[in-house]
Amino acid sequence: EAGVVQSPRYKIIEKKQPVAFWCNPISGHNTLYWYLQNLGQGPELLIRYENEEAVDDSQLPKDRFSAERLKGVDSTLKIQPAELGDSAVYLCASSLGTGAGSGANVLTFGAGSRLTVL
Amino acid sequence: SQKIEQNSEALNIQEGKTATLTCNYTNYSPAYLQWYRQDPGRGPVFLLLIRENEKEKRKERLKVTFDTTLKQSLFHITASQPADSATYLCASWGNSGYALNFGKGTSLLVT
Repeated sequence: EAGVVQSPRYKIIEKKQPVAFWCNPISGHNTLYWYLQNLGQGPELLIRYENEEAVDDSQLPKDRFSAERLKGVDSTLKIQPAELGDSAVYLCASSLGTGAGSGANVLTFGAGSRLTVL
Repeated sequence: SQKIEQNSEALNIQEGKTATLTCNYTNYSPAYLQWYRQDPGRGPVFLLLIRENEKEKRKERLKVTFDTTLKQSLFHITASQPADSATYLCASWGNSGYALNFGKGTSLLVT
């Protein structure tokens, strides 16, 4: 099994430029998550998908961030325009379900995409 | 608001000793707590999960406890090795069950 695949691993752009990150989750995992991780901090949820539906995007800065999960498999996270404060690692994760009702559901993460905005 | 807190200070221990990491939660009562390991430049990797009524769970050299009275979980690595050096993250699902919330993590260095 390939695990969660993310690309690119590293991206350096100038501020105000657009950037996109791609994620391919584990086959059969219906739930997909995008997390943001700043240096020295834990991951923070940006958006969660159940199949192709975004069911929790309350933490996504919608003025510049957008995401999609067409056909309920791969997902893309876009930032346009990027700001200096967007420099961080963007993690994608997937799971069979959510924690609703049990809390036993675990996430499988990709290696992350490290963004540097100059 | 629901919070998970970990000691953000790095923990340095000698090889062979037992490392103990702390996770505290406030303003909610999770039914499960999860522990993940994160190496530099990599995503978190799931290690252990413990239910509120399990009190203690073991996996090889790892042990996790769950004290609902203290609202705390302890993560132990016995006979620690340099390869155990990493950041360890505590996590739990919020009351809604739709987002896995993480603590800041504790960096462990074994020398």
